Amino acid sequence: DTAVSQTPKYLVTQMGNDKSIKCEQNLGHDTMYWYKQDSKKFLKIMFSYNNKELIINETVPNRFSPKSPDKAHLNLHINSLELGDSAVYFCASSRDTYGYTFGSGTRLTVV
Amino acid sequence: GESVGLHLPTLSVQEGDNSIINCAYSNSASDYFIWYKQESGKGPQFIIDIRSNMDKRQGQRVTVLLNKTVKHLSLQIAATQPGDSAVYFCAENFRAGNMLTFGGGTRLMVKP
Repeated sequence: DTAVSQTPKYLVTQMGNDKSIKCEQNLGHDTMYWYKQDSKKFLKIMFSYNNKELIINETVPNRFSPKSPDKAHLNLHINSLELGDSAVYFCASSRDTYGYTFGSGTRLTVV
Repeated sequence: GESVGLHLPTLSVQEGDNSIINCAYSNSASDYFIWYKQESGKGPQFIIDIRSNMDKRQGQRVTVLLNKTVKHLSLQIAATQPGDSAVYFCAENFRAGNMLTFGGGTRLMVKP
């Protein structure tokens, strides 16, 4: 069983479109995250979501909105996609700080 | 050999040699550090962690050293194998919401 699963694995879309990436974890963790990895492999935190509390990295544009229907799911919705949004997006989960586990990533390409 | 984890430098080692990957972390208030391994097309995979009240921790073939005085973290891999080839990241925790801040990564290439 996959611990942290993301869908889709690949996403190619045109500028201006709205898209969503889904994430589910079956580890019973209480915190979930979204990270962005750019073409130079640099990983940067975007959001943390714990017990209905959302903590946002202030550098993330408000076109990005995380939504958590329950503790096991954290989806990422992106409005008005731009070329610079092209990256690999990773979902992760943890119990407090421990057991940090990443999904396999969603490669988003905006054309 | 050793390398600093900025701007994705590359460390090339011979199979069977020991590898040392270095990382300079940013915040003296960080209390928890993790090393991750990322293979091509996959997500980061946990290798080993260390809390700030320790200066050394050993796992299977890996050792993490923490020097809080100079804010430096290193990962030592003993008897490096081809399967160790990957990008290695250090990460620190000091932010609200348990968010990790990652270093720039180091690519390890193991020559057979």
